[in-house]
Amino acid sequence: EAGVTQSPTHLIKTRGQQATLRCSPISGHTSVYWYQQALGLGLQFLLWYDEGEERNRGNFPPRFSGRQFPNYSSELNVNALELEDSALYLCASSQDRSLGYTFGSGTRLTVV
Amino acid sequence: AQSVAQPEDQVNVAEGNPLTVKCTYSVSGNPYLFWYVQYPNRGLQFLLKYITGDNLVKGSYGFEAEFNKSQTSFHLKKPSALVSDSALYFCAVRDGRYSTLTFGKGTMLLVSP
Repeated sequence: EAGVTQSPTHLIKTRGQQATLRCSPISGHTSVYWYQQALGLGLQFLLWYDEGEERNRGNFPPRFSGRQFPNYSSELNVNALELEDSALYLCASSQDRSLGYTFGSGTRLTVV
Repeated sequence: AQSVAQPEDQVNVAEGNPLTVKCTYSVSGNPYLFWYVQYPNRGLQFLLKYITGDNLVKGSYGFEAEFNKSQTSFHLKKPSALVSDSALYFCAVRDGRYSTLTFGKGTMLLVSP
């Protein structure tokens, strides 16, 4: 069974540009979660998508947005990049709340 | 609101000795508790979970955790540490209403030979 896949692995952008990160959940998982892991800040919840709808959002500005496609894959968009957006962005999927999440390996975003 | 505290940024232990990584939580309802491990430049790997039932939960790689409702704790333990256990460990909690996991800041475990 394929795990959660994220692309690209690394992404380098210039301040002010836009970044698009992609995530494919485990087959059969309908929920996708996005987390930001910045140095020293632990994991911060960004977004939760389920059945194509945004279900919950963390305390991030509106320039962080995303969507979930009919095949349950997801995209995270970050507009007007700032230096402090540099982080590891982790995607996770789940099928059942009680089973926890399965994480991908992440996308390392560097803003210069 | 739900929250998780991992009071130690780093835990050092010698190989072969028992290890404990501490976690306390706060939720409004019944907690769903999890431990994950992260190796350098990798995503998080699931170790174990507590949903209901026996307070002592056994997980992957010989790890176990004890749920203590009165102390709102869920400490991770292993009887005999290995150098390969060195990694970043995260405790997480969710309650049914929020359904998203809230993570602690993580504890770096360093096991010396």
